[in-house]
Amino acid sequence: DGGITQSPKYLFRKEGQNVTLSCEQNLNHDAMYWYRQDPGQGLRLIYYSQIVNDFQKGDIAEGYSVSREKKESFPLTVTSAQKNPTAFYLCASSTDSHGYTFGSGTRLTVV
Amino acid sequence: GESVGLHLPTLSVQEGDNSIINCAYSNSASDYFIWYKQESGKGPQFIIDIRSNMDKRQGQRVTVLLNKTVKHLSLQIAATQPGDSAVYFCAENINNYGQNFVFGPGTRLSVLP
Repeated sequence: DGGITQSPKYLFRKEGQNVTLSCEQNLNHDAMYWYRQDPGQGLRLIYYSQIVNDFQKGDIAEGYSVSREKKESFPLTVTSAQKNPTAFYLCASSTDSHGYTFGSGTRLTVV
Repeated sequence: GESVGLHLPTLSVQEGDNSIINCAYSNSASDYFIWYKQESGKGPQFIIDIRSNMDKRQGQRVTVLLNKTVKHLSLQIAATQPGDSAVYFCAENINNYGQNFVFGPGTRLSVLP
């Protein structure tokens, strides 16, 4: 079955530590996205990529980094520069003709 | 469960009743709209979409209504079931470019037995 897979489901980060969230899709979608979800707020765009080896900052890119070396993969690194990283992170992919297919999310907590 | 949507508006309906969830969108140039359902601890799932050249679209047990005059979108769920309990949010898009989707904060639907 085609889909989009995020891992891990839960992740704990210590102060000053970088962590990487995985996102893999086998839908052959060109575009991939990372969103952050906080309680009571709409999804906020962190980074997006429309094609391999290219990506763009979203509304809240500070403290995050991404790479897009393969069409199927769009990992997100939460760096130590992100001062409030505790949130639910959602990865999505899309074609131009339709909305998003979302992954099941990663819950990141600072300990 | 996950704490997504702790402070969201909540709609409580009796099982079997119809539900109406509303969304005010922000941009009069938006021309494509989607309703998503998000269950606790999961990613959002596509429910139904509508383009701006339509004012109504029906799916299985769901209907989306679009009022462009007042920038309002609604999702109607017929014969609400316990499995419909979730957070529902709308997304608006200009020219169907993925990076231009704007998501509303959502409404929590609680189905009472």
